Amino acid sequence: AQSVAQPEDQVNVAEGNPLTVKCTYSVSGNPYLFWYVQYPNRGLQFLLKYITGDNLVKGSYGFEAEFNKSQTSFHLKKPSALVSDSALYFCAVRGGANKLIFGAGTRLAVHP
Amino acid sequence: EPEVTQTPSHQVTQMGQEVILRCVPISNHLYFYWYRQILGQKVEFLVSFYNNEISEKSEIFDDQFSVERPDGSNFTLKIRSTKLEDSAMYFCASSQDSLPGNTIYFGEGSWLTVV
Repeated sequence: AQSVAQPEDQVNVAEGNPLTVKCTYSVSGNPYLFWYVQYPNRGLQFLLKYITGDNLVKGSYGFEAEFNKSQTSFHLKKPSALVSDSALYFCAVRGGANKLIFGAGTRLAVHP
Repeated sequence: EPEVTQTPSHQVTQMGQEVILRCVPISNHLYFYWYRQILGQKVEFLVSFYNNEISEKSEIFDDQFSVERPDGSNFTLKIRSTKLEDSAMYFCASSQDSLPGNTIYFGEGSWLTVV
């Protein structure tokens, strides 16, 4: 069965520093991986996805993610964090044609 | 940019009452979904809907739940007799097709509080 793990409940980073939010996955077959962000009292916003091709995927708001098949990981990264990046980040894997399976979420706190 | 819209944003209801949550998916999308997020927990799949019928549902989606596309634009989730444990944020979502690489777009959510 498909599953996603986000090992960190919270990530703290200083503004201007690089950030990484970790995600590992378990799938049978080809992985289709997604990152979503949830700002306080808001819905889920799509950031980026990996389907096939380049292992480094670029997305919205300067975020990128690196797909690593051997480590079954899809970590979200940004070279320079902003305070406004503070939010809840969800990694998800496509579990069959009709649904996303989400990780537990990682709260990113960027401090000035 | 097209978006999924949901109403109401917040609803408080008494246990045992019926609730209908409404959604307008992105206009050229064909697949519609409901997910829910209990406070502090992960986002969970409830149901997917295509061509006026349910294509997949989770164990959570029991007989108390139903979905409907009453007209060409709205997509609704009905909870027949709400329980305290139904308190959650309910997200509507849509996608153009069911290909695994297709992006699923979510609405802002409807926060349901059952008292």
